[in-house]
Amino acid sequence: AQSVTQLGSHVSVSEGALVLLRCNYSSSVPPYLFWYVQYPNQGLQLLLKYTSAATLVKGINGFEAEFKKSETSFHLTKPSAHMSDAAEYFCAVSVGGSQGNLIFGKGTKLSVKP
Amino acid sequence: DVKVTQSSRYLVKRTGEKVFLECVQDMDHENMFWYRQDPGLGLRLIYFSYDVKMKEKGDIPEGYSVSREKKERFSLILESASTNQTSMYLCASSLMHNEQFFGPGTRLTVL
Repeated sequence: AQSVTQLGSHVSVSEGALVLLRCNYSSSVPPYLFWYVQYPNQGLQLLLKYTSAATLVKGINGFEAEFKKSETSFHLTKPSAHMSDAAEYFCAVSVGGSQGNLIFGKGTKLSVKP
Repeated sequence: DVKVTQSSRYLVKRTGEKVFLECVQDMDHENMFWYRQDPGLGLRLIYFSYDVKMKEKGDIPEGYSVSREKKERFSLILESASTNQTSMYLCASSLMHNEQFFGPGTRLTVL
């Protein structure tokens, strides 16, 4: 069965510092992987997705993630944090099939200090 | 751009009331989903639908029902609202195994 683990429910970084949000998955089939961002009182917005093409995936707002099959990881990074990056981030894995169900991690809340 | 709209951003209801949450998508997606989001629990799938008049239970269907009479519309129904259904409700739609597109959410408070 597929599952997603996000390490750290809260991460705090200083403005300009590296952002690293961790995601590990388990999947019995080649996975499709996603990172979403949620700003306060809004829905989720797709940051980036991995669909078995390039292992390094670039997304919006300067974020990128690297798919590492050997480590079953899909960590999200950004070289330099901005105040506007403060939000909650969710990693998700597709369960396969045509119905498009996703399994979500519990989320990581990112705080950015000035 | 895909647009998913939800009928209300904020809703306050009383215990025992019947509550309807409506979701509409404009991109002809087959799949639609209802989640609830609670602090520390992430997103939990309530129901999903992969075609008109089709519905499947998710992880936490108890106390909820759904209706999908038209492809673009997916309704979540709380037959008799209870205080433990106070939550953020998120609707999403997708095309096969592609990414899901989310609406802005409805924050429901049951008093």
